[in-house]
Amino acid sequence: DAGVIQSPRHEVTEMGQEVTLRCKPISGHNSLFWYRQTMMRGLELLIYFNNNVPIDDSGMPEDRFSAKMPNASFSTLKIQPSEPRDSAVYFCASSRDFGTGELFFGEGSRLTVL
Amino acid sequence: QKEVEQDPGPLSVPEGAIVSLNCTYSNSAFQYFMWYRQYSRKGPELLMYTYSSGNKEDGRFTAQVDKSSKYISLFIRDSQPSDSATYLCAMSASNFGNEKLTFGTGTRLTIIP
Repeated sequence: DAGVIQSPRHEVTEMGQEVTLRCKPISGHNSLFWYRQTMMRGLELLIYFNNNVPIDDSGMPEDRFSAKMPNASFSTLKIQPSEPRDSAVYFCASSRDFGTGELFFGEGSRLTVL
Repeated sequence: QKEVEQDPGPLSVPEGAIVSLNCTYSNSAFQYFMWYRQYSRKGPELLMYTYSSGNKEDGRFTAQVDKSSKYISLFIRDSQPSDSATYLCAMSASNFGNEKLTFGTGTRLTIIP
């Protein structure tokens, strides 16, 4: 099993630019989560999808952030325009609907906004 | 006040020592408790999973839950340098895969050879 695949692994951009992060969940997993991790705030849930439908986006910090899941094997998180305070590691995770509820995380996308 | 509180450390102990990591929480609806381990520049991975109160042992790791005190612990016996990582507690009210997990901020642990 390939695990959760995220791209890019690293992104350095300038303030005001659009950033798109991509995620391929594990095949057969019904739920997909986007998290942001910083030293100060730890892991914060931004949004999660179940069967490609956004269930809870209350963690999305503001309208500059948007996420889509057009099909079961692909999701994007977009930041437009980006700001320095968006610098963080963004993780995608997936899980099955039932069972232990274990989250399987990707290796993360490290974003630096200058 | 955060729903889940975890001492961020850092915590440094000599190889072979017993390590105790802890979290407290405020939401009495939490019933499922997990510990995730995160190596540097990697995503978190599930280490231990427990339901309700009690102990669970897996090799050198023991997870302990005290729901009456809203307190959970992870013990590592005979600690090894390979245990050096950040440990995050996580909890939820149900075991459905789409149930949101609430994470602690993580404790950074270093085992000194």
